[in-house]
Amino acid sequence: EVQLLEAGGGLVQPGGSLRLSCAASGFTFSISAMNWVRQAPGKGLEWISVISDSGAASYYADSVKGRFTISRDNSKNTLYLQMNSLRAEDTAVYYCAKGITSLEHWGQGTLVTVSS
Amino acid sequence: QSALTQPRSVSGSPGQSVSISCTGTSSDVGDYNYVSWYQQHPGKAPKLMIYDVTKRPSGVPDRFSGSKSGNTASLTISGLQAEDEADYYCCSYAGSYTYVFGTGTKVTVL
Repeated sequence: EVQLLEAGGGLVQPGGSLRLSCAASGFTFSISAMNWVRQAPGKGLEWISVISDSGAASYYADSVKGRFTISRDNSKNTLYLQMNSLRAEDTAVYYCAKGITSLEHWGQGTLVTVSS
Repeated sequence: QSALTQPRSVSGSPGQSVSISCTGTSSDVGDYNYVSWYQQHPGKAPKLMIYDVTKRPSGVPDRFSGSKSGNTASLTISGLQAEDEADYYCCSYAGSYTYVFGTGTKVTVL
């Protein structure tokens, strides 16, 4: 059974940093593209980043480009999202999701709140 | 990277059919056959219902179907059931390895 378990969310001040992680199991992580998607409270889904299976390539939505960095450790079956220069509008539940042209499996999400 | 346009809400009685539209542009929905649909119940993670415009993952009832014409994709739920009441989001590949979601549609079963 595919499982994705996010961790690392919490309360952070504007301008601060946070690193999220996503532990994967039940599939061959090292050959799977992975994504981060977020959902602000009461709002819709927003795709924010994808990383290739090897980690050699990564892409971002304009809203986070230059502030967020996606990475992975295939030896640990773990996906990461380093978030810097956080803003109030980054407050959201952050989901990791497996897939390339569609997101076939999702984690349960972790809440990030940016507030002073 | 503007969000795809979906109706805010649709409703139907049990057993009826409802359709949700997802309108993009010639740079996303109109240019690629990589449209997917997700169902999200309150407080839960999204679930993939349709991928590559028309394909259903294993385990998704065949009451759910997808289609596309030009810059607009559609999700149809036939034989509406109480458990289908949820939010639904479309998503399209938008080129340069980026993706865009729709604004979301709340489906209400009357």
